[in-house]
Amino acid sequence: DTAVSQTPKYLVTQMGNDKSIKCEQNLGHDTMYWYKQDSKKFLKIMFSYNNKELIINETVPNRFSPKSPDKAHLNLHINSLELGDSAVYFCASSHRDPYNEQFFGPGTRLTVL
Amino acid sequence: SQKIEQNSEALNIQEGKTATLTCNYTNYSPAYLQWYRQDPGRGPVFLLLIRENEKEKRKERLKVTFDTTLKQSLFHITASQPADSATYLCALVLNNDMRFGAGTRLTVKP
Repeated sequence: DTAVSQTPKYLVTQMGNDKSIKCEQNLGHDTMYWYKQDSKKFLKIMFSYNNKELIINETVPNRFSPKSPDKAHLNLHINSLELGDSAVYFCASSHRDPYNEQFFGPGTRLTVL
Repeated sequence: SQKIEQNSEALNIQEGKTATLTCNYTNYSPAYLQWYRQDPGRGPVFLLLIRENEKEKRKERLKVTFDTTLKQSLFHITASQPADSATYLCALVLNNDMRFGAGTRLTVKP
């Protein structure tokens, strides 16, 4: 009965590769998010998405793209991975309105070699 | 641009004491401010939400205050326990997105 799940938990890959991280929520929420937490533990929003609107943080490179096959899933695709992409990526979900609490997944630790 | 600052990177206190963590923000005041707890290797977990028209919110040993004049929220843990050791993050909503502070790592020593 996991609320927000992510796979894989760990991902080690070479520079230049393309990879995906999957996220699923069973809470019935209409909005999902991707965050990046770097080595300094700073948690930064990358995307927020519901079935009507995708909001992209302007600092996110276009190598990163969210894909949502349905309301319960928001996958993160990363093209041409770079060393600086190494971080922990968290998926989260919430009801959209009004600024409700967010439920986070366990995180995916991405290491780019 | 909006900035969120948490008072210190780390805070060490003795078991039984009250821990007080500070979250300051610049520019305009958010309608809501939230506090989360994060344990190593895990995602943040929601603790409390306080609205701009609320001065104080309590939940068991936790208390949050919100001062829109000072642009500051204080997070208190009373009768602290070693199990309270974690990183605590404040977050506010900006342009429909949650923005987090860098967090304060709290260590409660027995």
